[in-house]
Amino acid sequence: NAGVTQTPKFQVLKTGQSMTLQCAQDMNHNSMYWYRQDPGMGLRLIYYSASEGTTDKGEVPNGYNVSRLNKREFSLRLESAAPSQTSVYFCACRDRTDTQYFGPGTRLTVL
Amino acid sequence: LAKTTQPVSMDSYEGQEVNITCSHNNIATNDYITWYQQFPSQGPRFIIQGYKTKVTNEVASLFIPADRKSSTLSLPRVSLSDTAVYYCLVGDSLYNNNDMRFGAGTRLTVKP
Repeated sequence: NAGVTQTPKFQVLKTGQSMTLQCAQDMNHNSMYWYRQDPGMGLRLIYYSASEGTTDKGEVPNGYNVSRLNKREFSLRLESAAPSQTSVYFCACRDRTDTQYFGPGTRLTVL
Repeated sequence: LAKTTQPVSMDSYEGQEVNITCSHNNIATNDYITWYQQFPSQGPRFIIQGYKTKVTNEVASLFIPADRKSSTLSLPRVSLSDTAVYYCLVGDSLYNNNDMRFGAGTRLTVKP
């Protein structure tokens, strides 16, 4: 089992460009999460999805949209990237004992 | 939503026991306490979880007092490879509290 996978691993965008970060899990968990982590900082919750077809805002949702395409996949979209969105993005899923499993991260730079 | 507070950083030496305490004064009745470890350039990974009293696994122990307003992660005989950031979270999937938020974590540096 791959666990949680994220693509791409690295991305450089210009201000105003759009892109979608992909996340998939093969652990059959209902809850999925998107976090961002700025250098030297903790993780901040962007959006989460309790189950297929539902999404909710976290701490820092502005500038992002999400789609829970099915139980396995949860994507994060930046419609018009800004330098303030330069960060490492982590996707995670959570089981019913509250344990979260994280992907390897996507390192995004917005110029 | 329970908020957690941890020390920003801690230093230790190889072979020592390290205790990291997390405060969660507003913890709800059904919340579990979970600790994660994060190395640079990696996502956090699960260390240990508990609800009350003491839990021990192969890498750590978790002590939770009766009032559950704090918890202490204990790492026995740390090595250089334990240098990482440690996060505590409280949450409850039973009642579908899916809004899981990490604090700033505790940066542990283990010295030779």
